[in-house]
Amino acid sequence: DTEVTQTPKHLVMGMTNKKSLKCEQHMGHRAMYWYKQKAKKPPELMFVYSYEKLSINESVPSRFSPECPNSSLLNLHLHALQPEDSALYLCASSLVWPGNTIYFGEGSWLTVV
Amino acid sequence: DQQVKQNSPSLSVQEGRISILNCDYTNSMFDYFLWYKKYPAEGPTFLISISSIKDKNEDGRFTVFLNKSAKHLSLHIVPSQPGDSAVYFCAASARGTGTASKLTFGTGTRLQVTL
Repeated sequence: DTEVTQTPKHLVMGMTNKKSLKCEQHMGHRAMYWYKQKAKKPPELMFVYSYEKLSINESVPSRFSPECPNSSLLNLHLHALQPEDSALYLCASSLVWPGNTIYFGEGSWLTVV
Repeated sequence: DQQVKQNSPSLSVQEGRISILNCDYTNSMFDYFLWYKKYPAEGPTFLISISSIKDKNEDGRFTVFLNKSAKHLSLHIVPSQPGDSAVYFCAASARGTGTASKLTFGTGTRLQVTL
């Protein structure tokens, strides 16, 4: 069972709103990721958590704030986003990081208006 | 600097024939390679992987070939089915530390399997 579940599937938010994307996996994976994907582009890494600690931040603007409450959960808190932040946000997990197969969730479509 | 390249943005293959998707990489630190399939509005689905100690890995209709000297890998799908129509991403990583340990994706190849 390789399942990463993300909620919500679709989110529309204004530039002054605060919202969160949520991700959950019950595969016992100790590494979790946030990726961003724009249309016709490959996924771009944003953050990597390994054993609940932030290991990589790919110079992501502070309006995106990740949180890993426990080994199964990963959140992405959103505040004061811009329209250009509209994209598909993908959560993923792997057994460990680095060097293992990464399994993606279905993604959360974010539209910033 | 595009370290993983998929030079064919699209490919059309007839149902039942072989689909061959190609991928080139430049970083000699990469030692683990993966293929993902992506339908519109969904996350990428892992298909098959290969470690640099192998030159071939097979899983059902999918086979990945790795040519380390040429820094080239390919995904073969035999026989191709209409449900295989999707965007295929090649990805690579180095199983160590440092920036090469990130999963680096190619730009994708859109496969269309026609009836």
